[in-house]
Amino acid sequence: AQKITQTQPGMFVQEKEAVTLDCTYDTSDPSYGLFWYKQPSSGEMIFLIYQGSYDQQNATEGRYSLNFQKARKSANLVISASQLGDSAMYFCAMREGHRGRRALTFGSGTRLQVQP
Amino acid sequence: DVKVTQSSRYLVKRTGEKVFLECVQDMDHENMFWYRQDPGLGLRLIYFSYDVKMKEKGDIPEGYSVSREKKERFSLILESASTNQTSMYLCASSTSGAYNEQFFGPGTRLTVL
Repeated sequence: AQKITQTQPGMFVQEKEAVTLDCTYDTSDPSYGLFWYKQPSSGEMIFLIYQGSYDQQNATEGRYSLNFQKARKSANLVISASQLGDSAMYFCAMREGHRGRRALTFGSGTRLQVQP
Repeated sequence: DVKVTQSSRYLVKRTGEKVFLECVQDMDHENMFWYRQDPGLGLRLIYFSYDVKMKEKGDIPEGYSVSREKKERFSLILESASTNQTSMYLCASSTSGAYNEQFFGPGTRLTVL
């Protein structure tokens, strides 16, 4: 079963508008962490934001915020005021448990294109 | 700044060749990882290492091996390259904290002819 599901292969957004990238996850571990990474066309993976399963508040980092709905097992990334430089692949990822494997499990990604 | 470097950005090899992909990190991180990235599949873990000479298989270890003789260096080895190993390979490192972010290298795009 897919542990991380990103159902939007591609998204378009107009410059200066907000956009939400969807991510749902599957785990039975009460302790986990959720990450979002950005991958521009140059290929490097850039860490954007992190949400812990026990965090009471949604994470925010500048124009990025994470809409964390624990009961629905969703961790959607919200980008406010989109910029042309936001055009990239976006990956949602999860790390399960303190004693689980140290690696991240990634979703298949969403390609975001920001239009002028 | 954490820096993770990979030996090549682009690599072309022939079927059956032995291929070495090198990764070096400069922040004394305990954990190092090798992922493979294919369109529509995201990143999949090949191997990771949590200490020198220690390694664990990931989700797709078949056809690969790894070596970690020094803390800063983690090598991915394709013993006999095959065309289905044509892919983007990404190395990452992190500290030992449970939920610390992973820092990625620029990736190596490997083509096996």
